Amino acid sequence: GQQLNQSPQSMFIQEGEDVSMNCTSSSIFNTWLWYKQDPGEGPVLLIALYKAGELTSNGRLTAQFGITRKDSFLNISASIPSDVGIYFCAGQLSPYGDDMRFGAGTRLTVKP
Amino acid sequence: DSGVTQTPKHLITATGQRVTLRCSPRSGDLSVYWYQQSLDQGLQFLIQYYNGEERAKGNILERFSAQQFPDLHSELNLSSLELGDSALYFCASSVSGTLGNEQFFGPGTRLTVL
Repeated sequence: GQQLNQSPQSMFIQEGEDVSMNCTSSSIFNTWLWYKQDPGEGPVLLIALYKAGELTSNGRLTAQFGITRKDSFLNISASIPSDVGIYFCAGQLSPYGDDMRFGAGTRLTVKP
Repeated sequence: DSGVTQTPKHLITATGQRVTLRCSPRSGDLSVYWYQQSLDQGLQFLIQYYNGEERAKGNILERFSAQQFPDLHSELNLSSLELGDSALYFCASSVSGTLGNEQFFGPGTRLTVL
């Protein structure tokens, strides 16, 4: 099936630094979503993007839906220790969101 | 709290056994999705139900089956369990059928097969 390539796999940063991660695919997606997962918990939706070129912020998080509809990035500014976790991108192939594919995740570690 | 509930939270069983995982979607959501997440792995889509009917199938083994009931809760049945079936199993729900419907995840069931 259509695969999402998420990078980097892991990041070790200092508190206060900015973070950037991205997802690319060979397929065109109708929707891009970014989730965060804490250990042993379910993924929590951070940002949803619906249009090519769309740039959306949620607090210190900013995500963009690539113009080609084949990629998306997530930026976290001024990281804090509670940003630690695994961040997943997800793309929906159909307009009805039934066929969603996940990236492998970016594991973020923030050193105080 | 996403509004999606899953039971049980933990399940320990032996190889060859059969278990049932249960999920209640958010109020008003018609679609239920099941995912498997093995240790340090991404989410693997298993199957989706919409308003009681199977809508999409992913990498679901033949030993696994699911159903969605008239009250919209769903059950995932895992049979002839193997050690490799140990994983976190997540249920997600969405309104579905509308543009830009996001999936909201439950807390998961951790299955350990010994």
